[in-house]
This record gives sequence, C-alpha cells and structure tokens, in this order.
Amino acid sequence: DVKVTQSSRYLVKRTGEKVFLECVQDMDHENMFWYRQDPGLGLRLIYFSYDVKMKEKGDIPEGYSVSREKKERFSLILESASTNQTSMYLCASSYEFSMGSEQYFGPGTRLTVT
Amino acid sequence: GQQVMQIPQYQHVQEGEDFTTYCNSSTTLSNIQWYKQRPGGHPVFLIQLVKSGEVKKQKRLTFQFGEAKKNSSLHITATQTTDVGTYFCAGQRTGGFKTNFGAGTRLFVKA
Repeated sequence: DVKVTQSSRYLVKRTGEKVFLECVQDMDHENMFWYRQDPGLGLRLIYFSYDVKMKEKGDIPEGYSVSREKKERFSLILESASTNQTSMYLCASSYEFSMGSEQYFGPGTRLTVT
Repeated sequence: GQQVMQIPQYQHVQEGEDFTTYCNSSTTLSNIQWYKQRPGGHPVFLIQLVKSGEVKKQKRLTFQFGEAKKNSSLHITATQTTDVGTYFCAGQRTGGFKTNFGAGTRLFVKA
C-alpha cells in the first residue's frame, strides 16, 4: 500500500514564525502536491512538484514556498506565518500526470497560527 | 482558469434514501476523479472516468461522465450510515497537468 506521511497532525505556531511542514511518500511517485483545505472551499493547490528540485505554483502560492531535494520528500514552508494561514494542510503524491493518475493523500496537518 | 463547481454543498438524507452529487467544469476535461473523505480523515480515491458518456458502478455507487466531458455525477442508492463524509470530484483539463478539485458535497445520513 502507498503510504504518505506528514510530520505533524497538529501544529500551533505564532504569527511571524517560519513553519516547515514535511511530507514523505514511500512509493517512488514522481509527483507530489501540497493543498490546503478550508470549509466550503474544498482543496486548493498551493504547489506541486513533478520531479526532484522541480516545482510549479498552484492556485494559491502566495506566502508559501516548497522544497524537494529528494524524490520521496516534499516540504512546505511558510516563510512568515500569518493567522489567515490557519488551515488543514494535505500532502499528496501520484505516479504520473498523463491521463490523471490518482492521488494518495497523507493524514493532514492542522495548523493554527495565533 | 479552470473551475470545477460541485453541488450541493450539503445533503441530509434518511438512511435508505438515494443521494446524488453533481460536478460541472467550465472547460472540457480529459478525465474526472472522485474521492471520499470520512469525517476526520483524508481524501481517498474512489474512481476515475475517462471516456465520454462513461458509466461505472461500485456496488451502490454509480459514476457518470457527461457526453461533452464537462460534467459528472455520483449517485448512491439506498444510503447507509457508512456513506457519511465529503465527496469530491476532481477534473484534469485536456492537455493540462493540474487536477482541480470541486468544493465537495458533505453527506449526512440519519439512521
């Protein structure tokens, strides 16, 4: 079974802090994604990566950056956390883009910025 | 950009009643996927539709992809309490990389 793990289930940070969210997948997937999930808004794509050291902006990249130094690991960085970044963050991975490969999600990190 | 609209946002049903959620895209899709997220859980892939007019079934769940490949539906027959959760559609634009998720339909089932 594909396993996608995220470093924390719950995280509380202060405004202005630099926050790192880590995601690891164990199925040698090419693609990895970071989403945030907010009530009524569904899943919104922040960034995705289709290869090591490659990244593309999603729909809401402002205030975030990402790092993919190894194929299995994709990190989301909040450079200076703000209260409007309080949300559920979901990491996902997939095998390929062509014809829509299914995405496997991690358990999520609920981040609260105070 | 591509928009994937999903309705309704919420649906309350009595156990045994049927349920349908609808997904509409502003652009033609190469494929559409459906995911289920249980309360407190993460989205889990259910199925993918690729062909125009395609219909697939999984036990009590029926998935359809429209002829124009711009809309899709998920129908659950005789809901059970185990069906509770949020159902998301996710569409990939023809020639695109990104998969755009709908806002989801949250299903409540009363026993």
